[in-house]
Amino acid sequence: EADIYQTPRYLVIGTGKKITLECSQTMGHDKMYWYQQDPGMELHLIHYSYGVNSTEKGDLSSESTVSRIRTEHFPLTLESARPSHTSQYLCASSWGGSGANVLTFGAGSRLTVL
Amino acid sequence: AQSVTQLDSQVPVFEEAPVELRCNYSSSVSVYLFWYVQYPNQGLQLLLKYLSGSTLVKGINGFEAEFNKSQTSFHLRKPSVHISDTAEYFCAVSGGGLSSGSARQLTFGSGTQLTVLP
Repeated sequence: EADIYQTPRYLVIGTGKKITLECSQTMGHDKMYWYQQDPGMELHLIHYSYGVNSTEKGDLSSESTVSRIRTEHFPLTLESARPSHTSQYLCASSWGGSGANVLTFGAGSRLTVL
Repeated sequence: AQSVTQLDSQVPVFEEAPVELRCNYSSSVSVYLFWYVQYPNQGLQLLLKYLSGSTLVKGINGFEAEFNKSQTSFHLRKPSVHISDTAEYFCAVSGGGLSSGSARQLTFGSGTQLTVLP
């Protein structure tokens, strides 16, 4: 059973459009993450959050932005999509008390920008 | 800094044969090690993890992995694979102990595509 939900699963849009990828988790996890995944490549962390109103950029530079107004919700926004943003975006969460960084992942949002 | 190398990008194997997916890491501190699996059109799910203690770790679906500190390896094995094991497998490392407070320190390998042939 998935406890972390991502919508949309697939999105095809034109250049210049604003898009928001939604991510919600029902586990009460305090930490949430966005990863970018391209075929044959490792996952790259682009955003993470330690809790409400706490967000930081990850290792891979990204033009996207995130917000964390509620514990369970961590949306990612691209103000003006470009073909270079075409990728799969994975949302994940973890519980700070676990001490071992075990992530629970959503099913992913595959974005194609034409 | 830490890094993870998955030595094989693709591993084809026949059904019921054994398989080993190789993972080497580099880190200057003690580590936690993980294997995640990603089935087609799905997110990643945890297969197994090494935190401390026994170096042989058993996970779900009959997989196991052995932590070898001297060789800095954490290879994944299964004695007999099934068609349903076809998926991408990711090795990951994070700093252990006090640095383990968040997956902010988690580093993934580039993945190994396991394809089980009938």
